[in-house]
Amino acid sequence: SQQGEEDPQALSIQEGENATMNCSYKTSINNLQWYRQNSGRGLVHLILIRSNEREKHSGRLRVTLDTSKKSSSLLITASRAADTASYFCAPDSGTYKYIFGTGTRLKVLA
Amino acid sequence: SAVISQKPSRDICQRGTSLTIQCQVDSQVTMMFWYRQQPGQSLTLIATANQGSEATYESGFVIDKFPISRPNLTFSTLTVSNMSPEDSSIYLCSAGGQGINEKLFFGSGTQLSVL
Repeated sequence: SQQGEEDPQALSIQEGENATMNCSYKTSINNLQWYRQNSGRGLVHLILIRSNEREKHSGRLRVTLDTSKKSSSLLITASRAADTASYFCAPDSGTYKYIFGTGTRLKVLA
Repeated sequence: SAVISQKPSRDICQRGTSLTIQCQVDSQVTMMFWYRQQPGQSLTLIATANQGSEATYESGFVIDKFPISRPNLTFSTLTVSNMSPEDSSIYLCSAGGQGINEKLFFGSGTQLSVL
């Protein structure tokens, strides 16, 4: 297992703007996943991108993966106040467990 | 997908006592995990709950302090023993990671305060 490192640690934007957060990891992966956590509750799975994919979309979410740079980015377009949460990436190296980093705390101002 | 019911959702406990947290999944899952999240921190993996065998603990966590049961493929418990204020955290149960499209599903967490 390996831990992803999210950047920035905190991000504050106005409603309607786009939010971009990044994730770096150290070793090769099978896939990388993004999760959201609201107010210290359980994490919710957002999107999974496989190592042979470069970009994936789900609604207002766009995830990119650059395996040569060992990095991923999550873009939330047209952000809403309800998007206020912490976002975590989870690189999967083929082991059965997930180690989470410190996350990006996103605040969307109405 | 999998739905995980975790209880209690919160509790306030006295120092020296123990609390058992229950996690019920609505489908059979191979992997179940227990995490701890201290205020303002990330999630820390406590252990992997293995069905039919002892849990696998991460560095810094021991069975005497955090005994775990996994009697079947849909249920697990985590006990926080001999609690101290330092154990005040959110405890999260999760399941999945293999099959179920490789996603992890989480319970809603147990917010524990130790006085």
